[in-house]
Amino acid sequence: DAMVIQNPRYQVTQFGKPVTLSCSQTLNHNVMYWYQQKSSQAPKLLFHYYDKDFNNEADTPDNFQSRRPNTSFCFLDIRSPGLGDAAMYLCATSLVLDNEQFFGPGTRLTVL
Amino acid sequence: ELKVEQNPLFLSMQEGKNYTIYCNYSTTSDRLYWYRQDPGKSLESLFVLLSNGAVKQEGRLMASLDTKARLSTLHITAAVHDLSATYFCAVDSNSGYALNFGKGTSLLVTP
Repeated sequence: DAMVIQNPRYQVTQFGKPVTLSCSQTLNHNVMYWYQQKSSQAPKLLFHYYDKDFNNEADTPDNFQSRRPNTSFCFLDIRSPGLGDAAMYLCATSLVLDNEQFFGPGTRLTVL
Repeated sequence: ELKVEQNPLFLSMQEGKNYTIYCNYSTTSDRLYWYRQDPGKSLESLFVLLSNGAVKQEGRLMASLDTKARLSTLHITAAVHDLSATYFCAVDSNSGYALNFGKGTSLLVTP
């Protein structure tokens, strides 16, 4: 089945210790998105890739970076996690920019 | 700035009852999405509404879109416990790619 896969599902890191979250997709979609969702809040878009073109939301902190080495994979790097970065991180894909987005299962990040 | 407002934010209803969740948005958009999220899980796509007057139904859920009123509704018919979840509506932003989500409606269906 075509799908969006995120690894790991749960990640624990220490304050200030870099962490990388992974997303892969078998849908062959052009666009990949990263969202942050804090407890009892709506998902908030951090950035997206349209093919190799990276688009950062204006209010995404510099602490968050992303890489997309190929069509199938996209990574979220948090350079120096703070306690406020503890959240569910959702990866989504869409065929093109204005199409329906399909979400992965998410990675729950805990910062100690 | 596009704003998306859902109400109610919390809803407790008895099994077998009917209820409607409302989603209002502030600027013109022709696409509206409804997602379901179970606790600790990701977002599951329920409906994609692409035009004025669109109505879609799946099981006990029916969604509609009125682009002139900038309003979408999610109607629940004869609720069952399995429908307990948080329901989000989302609207394409002016940028054409970002989804603006409502705050979500946390639904609890009780016996």
